[in-house]
Amino acid sequence: EPEVTQTPSHQVTQMGQEVILRCVPISNHLYFYWYRQILGQKVEFLVSFYNNEISEKSEIFDDQFSVERPDGSNFTLKIRSTKLEDSAMYFCASSPRGAGRSYEQYFGPGTRLTVT
Amino acid sequence: GEDVEQSLFLSVREGDSSVINCTYTDSSSTYLYWYKQEPGAGLQLLTYIFSNMDMKQDQRLTVLLNKKDKHLSLRIADTQTGDSAIYFCAESIKPTGGGNKLTFGTGTQLKVEL
Repeated sequence: EPEVTQTPSHQVTQMGQEVILRCVPISNHLYFYWYRQILGQKVEFLVSFYNNEISEKSEIFDDQFSVERPDGSNFTLKIRSTKLEDSAMYFCASSPRGAGRSYEQYFGPGTRLTVT
Repeated sequence: GEDVEQSLFLSVREGDSSVINCTYTDSSSTYLYWYKQEPGAGLQLLTYIFSNMDMKQDQRLTVLLNKKDKHLSLRIADTQTGDSAIYFCAESIKPTGGGNKLTFGTGTQLKVEL
C-alpha cells in the first residue's frame, strides 16, 4: 500500500541554521500539507499546497518558512533560520484527487526537529 | 475559531468496547475524522464522516455524530491490545478548492489491559 515517506526521521540543528525537511507524497496525489506537533501540544496546520502554489497557510507559517515541490515526487519544507521554538515533530500529508476523496489526508511518519 | 477537545486517557479491558469522545466548536465543520497514532509512527487515517451523516460503521469501528451537540464519538468493538494508541479527532471546515486544512484535538491515549 502506498505511503507518505519523510526524511530524515530526526534532525538536530543549531539555532539560526537553515533546515530542509523532505517528504515524498503518495504518487498521483494532488494536495500536499505540512503540520507540526510541539511536544505535549496539538497537531497544528502549517500550509497546504496545490497546483504548484500555496493554497492556505496558518499564522505560524511566516517568512521563515517556505515550501517547494522541486520535481514530480518531492515536497519540501524549509525553515531559513531556526529558532528554539521550532523544535517539534513535522508531519507531511497528501490527498488524492477525485470527487470526495480529496478529503482523505494521508500522513507520513514525521520528522522530529530538535533545535539547540 | 475552531477548537476540538478530547479527554486525555481511556483504559479498557481486552474484549470490551472502547468509546472515545470528541467535541468541536465550529458548526461549519464539514468532515470529521479519526486518526490513530502508534508509538514512533505517523497519523493513520481510520475513518471520517461527512457532517450530514449521523453514523458510519466500518468493521469494528462505529462513528457517531451529534451535530446539534457538536459531539463525535468513535466506538471500537472487541478492543484488542493492538488498538492501544493515541486517537486524534480532527475537523475540516469549508474545504477550499486548493486544500483541506484539518484542526486536531489533543488526542486520547487508549490503553488496553489484559
